[in-house]
Amino acid sequence: SQKIEQNSEALNIQEGKTATLTCNYTNYSPAYLQWYRQDPGRGPVFLLLIRENEKEKRKERLKVTFDTTLKQSLFHITASQPADSATYLCAPAYSGAGSYQLTFGKGTKLSVIP
Amino acid sequence: DVKVTQSSRYLVKRTGEKVFLECVQDMDHENMFWYRQDPGLGLRLIYFSYDVKMKEKGDIPEGYSVSREKKERFSLILESASTNQTSMYLCASALAGALEQYFGPGTRLTVT
Repeated sequence: SQKIEQNSEALNIQEGKTATLTCNYTNYSPAYLQWYRQDPGRGPVFLLLIRENEKEKRKERLKVTFDTTLKQSLFHITASQPADSATYLCAPAYSGAGSYQLTFGKGTKLSVIP
Repeated sequence: DVKVTQSSRYLVKRTGEKVFLECVQDMDHENMFWYRQDPGLGLRLIYFSYDVKMKEKGDIPEGYSVSREKKERFSLILESASTNQTSMYLCASALAGALEQYFGPGTRLTVT
C-alpha cells in the first residue's frame, strides 16, 4: 500500500530563516504532488502543486521540488515569518475511479519563532 | 471563491445513534470527498463521489455510508455511531479531473 512519510512531526525555526520540509513516498508513482497548509481547527488549504515532469515550482516565498527517482518532495519557505506557523501536509496523488485521489501525509507542524 | 460548508462545527452523539454529516459546495464541482482526521494518523479518505448518485469507497469505509442526491450536496452517514468514530470529519470538493481540493471547516464529532 502507499506510504507517505513527512520528515518530522514538528519543526522549529527562527524568523527569517528558510524552513525545509520533507515528504517521502513509497510503493507508488504519483502523477503529481500537492502541499497544503492547515491551521488549528480548520480544513487544509491548497498551496502548491507539482507534476511528475516538473523539477521545481515556485510561488512567492514558497518553493517545491519533486524528485521521482528519490521518491521525495521538498517544501521550502524562505524568509519565514511567525504567520507561517501551521501544519503542512504533503499529498501525492494517483488516478482513481473518475478522479484523482490524494493520500495525505501526517503533516509537519512548523513553528516560526520571532 | 469556492465555498465548502459543513452543517456543524461541533457535534456530540450517543453510541448507537444514526448521525448525518452534511456538506455543501457552491462551485458546481463534480467531485466530493469525505475524510476523517485523527492525531497521529493524518487525513484518511472514507468515501468519495464523482457524480450525482455515484459513490466510491475510500481507504476506511467501514461503518459509514454516503448519499449524493444533488450535485452540490454530499452527506456522510454513520448508521450506528460508535466511540471509535469520534474524530474530525472534513469534506472537500474538486472539479472533475482537477488537481486541487477545497476543504470545508470540518465537523468535530464526539460519540459518547
